[in-house]
Amino acid sequence: DVKVTQSSRYLVKRTGEKVFLECVQDMDHENMFWYRQDPGLGLRLIYFSYDVKMKEKGDIPEGYSVSREKKERFSLILESASTNQTSMYLCASRPAIERYEQYFGPGTRLTVT
Amino acid sequence: LAKTTQPISMDSYEGQEVNITCSHNNIATNDYITWYQQFPSQGPRFIIQGYKTKVTNEVASLFIPADRKSSTLSLPRVSLSDTAVYYCLVGDKDSNYQLIWGAGTKLIIKP
Repeated sequence: DVKVTQSSRYLVKRTGEKVFLECVQDMDHENMFWYRQDPGLGLRLIYFSYDVKMKEKGDIPEGYSVSREKKERFSLILESASTNQTSMYLCASRPAIERYEQYFGPGTRLTVT
Repeated sequence: LAKTTQPISMDSYEGQEVNITCSHNNIATNDYITWYQQFPSQGPRFIIQGYKTKVTNEVASLFIPADRKSSTLSLPRVSLSDTAVYYCLVGDKDSNYQLIWGAGTKLIIKP
């Protein structure tokens, strides 16, 4: 079974703090994704990565950055957390670019106060 | 990327077959249809994908008519544990297989 793990299930941070969310997949997948999910808005893509050190902006990259130094690990960084970044953050991996199935982690519920 | 339309919610009973229909009128030639399931406080789980006609796996069947403007996810003999949100998505080879996530269909199974 593909396993995607995220560093925390719940996180509470203060406005202005730098926040790191980590995601690790154990199936040697090429592609990785970060989404946020908010009620009524569905999943929205923040960033994705096709390969190590490669990244592409998704639909809502503002206020976020990412890092992929190793194939199995994809980090999402909130440079200066704001209350409107309170959300559920979901990481996913995909075997390769021509495949549709994405494998999701359990999510991190981030609250910024 | 083609957008999809599906019912906001559906109810059914244990043991019934449930069919969830999705409309994707603007589907392009290269697009595939994919369905995911999401339980509360969990990430979505891939269920099935197809291009045309019928696809079946151990979890569900996917029916796609010839014009491909709609698709139907069929869940045989549902149980209470099938209560979840089901997403229909269309992925496009020309857009690096990206998916647009809508609100999904909240399926509630009653005893």
